[in-house]
Amino acid sequence: AQSVAQPEDQVNVAEGNPLTVKCTYSVSGNPYLFWYVQYPNRGLQFLLKYITGDNLVKGSYGFEAEFNKSQTSFHLKKPSALVSDSALYFCAVRDGWNQAGTALIFGKGTTLSVSS
Amino acid sequence: KAGVTQTPRYLIKTRGQQVTLSCSPISGHRSVSWYQQTPGQGLQFLFEYFSETQRNKGNFPGRFSGRQFSNSRSEMNVSTLELGDSALYLCASSFSEKKYNEQFFGPGTRLTVL
Repeated sequence: AQSVAQPEDQVNVAEGNPLTVKCTYSVSGNPYLFWYVQYPNRGLQFLLKYITGDNLVKGSYGFEAEFNKSQTSFHLKKPSALVSDSALYFCAVRDGWNQAGTALIFGKGTTLSVSS
Repeated sequence: KAGVTQTPRYLIKTRGQQVTLSCSPISGHRSVSWYQQTPGQGLQFLFEYFSETQRNKGNFPGRFSGRQFSNSRSEMNVSTLELGDSALYLCASSFSEKKYNEQFFGPGTRLTVL
């Protein structure tokens, strides 16, 4: 079965410092991986995705993520955090070989808090 | 392009009632999925529609149902509401049913069951 783990409920970082939000996944086939961000009382906003190819994926708002097949990880990173990055971040996966449709399996979410 | 829209944004119902939520996808998007978000269970997949056909269904009881119309708009219905159905219901659309397409989410409908 597919699953996603976000081992940290909360990540605290000072403005200007690099940030990392961790994600590991489990699928039986090739993973399609996604990161979303959710601000209070809002829906989810798409940040970036990994389908195939280069392991370093660049996305919106200066975020990037590194796919590591051997460690089954897809960590979200940003070189310099902003206070406005404070939000709830979700990692999600689809199994590329599973023919059962396009359902996203989400992690529990990680709250990012950036202090000024 | 306008984003995914969901109506209503907020609903208050009592146990035993039924409710219908509506979702209009991004223009040109033909796939619509629904998710339930709660503090305890997180984000859980409800169902997915493409070209008016349900392609996939999550592990929810039969009280939860949905449909998609020819213009790709979608509705979900919950009958015989229970307190545990209180949640944020999110609709997401994507261009096609292909797995590499990202989904774009609406703002959600906040359902409170009293």
